[in-house]
This record gives sequence, C-alpha cells and structure tokens, in this order.
Amino acid sequence: KAGVTQTPRYLIKTRGQQVTLSCSPISGHRSVSWYQQTPGQGLQFLFEYFSETQRNKGNFPGRFSGRQFSNSRSEMNVSTLELGDSALYLCASSLGQGLEAFFGQGTRLTVV
Amino acid sequence: QKEVEQDPGPLSVPEGAIVSLNCTYSNSAFQYFMWYRQYSRKGPELLMYTYSSGNKEDGRFTAQVDKSSKYISLFIRDSQPSDSATYLCASTGTASKLTFGTGTRLQVTL
Repeated sequence: KAGVTQTPRYLIKTRGQQVTLSCSPISGHRSVSWYQQTPGQGLQFLFEYFSETQRNKGNFPGRFSGRQFSNSRSEMNVSTLELGDSALYLCASSLGQGLEAFFGQGTRLTVV
Repeated sequence: QKEVEQDPGPLSVPEGAIVSLNCTYSNSAFQYFMWYRQYSRKGPELLMYTYSSGNKEDGRFTAQVDKSSKYISLFIRDSQPSDSATYLCASTGTASKLTFGTGTRLQVTL
C-alpha cells in the first residue's frame, strides 16, 4: 500500500514569489493535514481538509492557503514568500479525526 | 506554556540500554496520543498510537499514558544504533490537529 506522497521534495524560491506544494494521501484516507516544521518552532499545524472542506486552521497568516480535490489529493499554496517561510512542509493523512496520522517525506522549501 | 512539553535532549545511551522518553501535556481535552520517530531529512514515522490512559506494547516499544498526571512515556528496550533519531510525542482531542512536543534527539552508541 503506497504511503503519503509529497511533491516536489525540494524547492528554492525567491522572496515575493508564490509556491504550490502537493500531497497525495494514502488510498482511502479522506483527511489531509499540513504542518510546518522549523528548528525553532518544531511542528506546527497549518490546516486540515476533509472531503474537500477545511475543517481546522492553525495560527498562520492568510498567505498560507490550501485546498483538497475530490480524489482527496491536497495542495498547499504560500503567496508572497518571506525568508521565514523556509521550512519542511509536511502532509499527513488519516481516516478521520483522532485516528492514526501518517506523514509524507515532506517538501523542503528554501526562500532566498 | 506549550501544550505539550518534551525534553529536547540530546539523550545518549549505549547499545542494549532501555530508553525512557517522556512528555507532559496541559490540555485536558487530549485523549489520543502518538509517538513518532523522525530520521534526519525524513518525515515523521508513526511508532505508537494510544487512546486514553494505559499501556500499549509493540515489539521493543511500550507506550504509556497517565491522564491523571498528564504524562506520556515511550520505552525502548534493547536499544539499537538504528534507533538513533528524534522522537516526537503528539496529542489531540476530537479534532485532527496534532499538537507536538519539540522532539527528543536520541543517540544510541556502540
């Protein structure tokens, strides 16, 4: 059974640009969550989608947005990139709330 | 105060030792508890998942949750060099949002 797949694995962007990250969950999983991991702040929750609806949102500015498609695949977008957005962005999928969450390998974003 | 507190380490132990990793949490609504292992430059890998208080064992790993003291533990028996990684505890209530500890870096030496 394939795990959570995130693409691309690495990205380098310039300040002010925007970026889109993609996540394909485990087959049958309808919940997809996104997290930002940095050395200083650790893993922080960005948002969660279930059946194409955002169900939860963390404390991040509106520059961070996401969406989920009918096949449960999800995308995350960051607009007007800042140097502080450099991080490992992780996607997790699960069958539902409170159930086991499985992470992808992440997308490492570097903003220069 | 963070909702989940975890000693960042690093923790260094000799091969074969029993490792004890701990977290405390403050949110009484938390009822699902997970331990993840993360190798450098990789995504977190789910090791243990428990609901409410009690113990759960899987091979060399045992997870304990004590909701009365809001204490979460992971024990690793017969530790191996391949166990060297960062261990993250995470908790959640009824939502899918996981709240993580900062992670404990473990080094198992030969």
